[in-house]
Amino acid sequence: QKEVEQNSGPLSVPEGAIASLNCTYSDRGSQSFFWYRQYSGKSPELIMFIYSNGDKEDGRFTAQLNKASQYVSLLIRDSQPSDSATYLCAVRVWGNNRLAFGKGNQVVVIP
Amino acid sequence: SAVISQKPSRDICQRGTSLTIQCQVDSQVTMMFWYRQQPGQSLTLIATANQGSEATYESGFVIDKFPISRPNLTFSTLTVSNMSPEDSSIYLCSALQRGAGNTEAFFGQGTRLTVV
Repeated sequence: QKEVEQNSGPLSVPEGAIASLNCTYSDRGSQSFFWYRQYSGKSPELIMFIYSNGDKEDGRFTAQLNKASQYVSLLIRDSQPSDSATYLCAVRVWGNNRLAFGKGNQVVVIP
Repeated sequence: SAVISQKPSRDICQRGTSLTIQCQVDSQVTMMFWYRQQPGQSLTLIATANQGSEATYESGFVIDKFPISRPNLTFSTLTVSNMSPEDSSIYLCSALQRGAGNTEAFFGQGTRLTVV
């Protein structure tokens, strides 16, 4: 089983809609969860992190964490064409400071 | 947030040669890492760069192929040795910085390596 899984294929959403991205992780002891945005040809940039169960909102982004289900999600409200990118889910491995990354989900916002 | 300067940004190298990538952080950071990202793939951790001691390598990566230095808390280098076309990839350095109750990870701009 992979440490971090993002199984959805490319996601196309119309401008102004909500984009929903999901991520599951295998290590129940994981404590820190991150969402990175990566534009084509660029390095990843951190957009959200979450440590506690529940929702965390930052502007148009909401991260949701459910440790019992080992599930973390990202919602992008009022999607804009500039949100078109690949979104990487990352989990800090318990007992180690390294990050394990999912394969990423490509989001395309259609004007 | 930490600013990480990575160079070179890209290079085209002959097979059998070596390339050293440098990563400079504008503040002291607790940990630094080196990742590889193949085209269309996610990030794969190569190693953790330990200050003052040998790097910790992940499965599938060895010191002879990817020697790493970290002489202080703000600088690290990764060398890709005896390159082959299979080493063509984007190489990224990353640093962890502790903030007010949080620890965040930041990335350099990446080095796009093409081996011919």
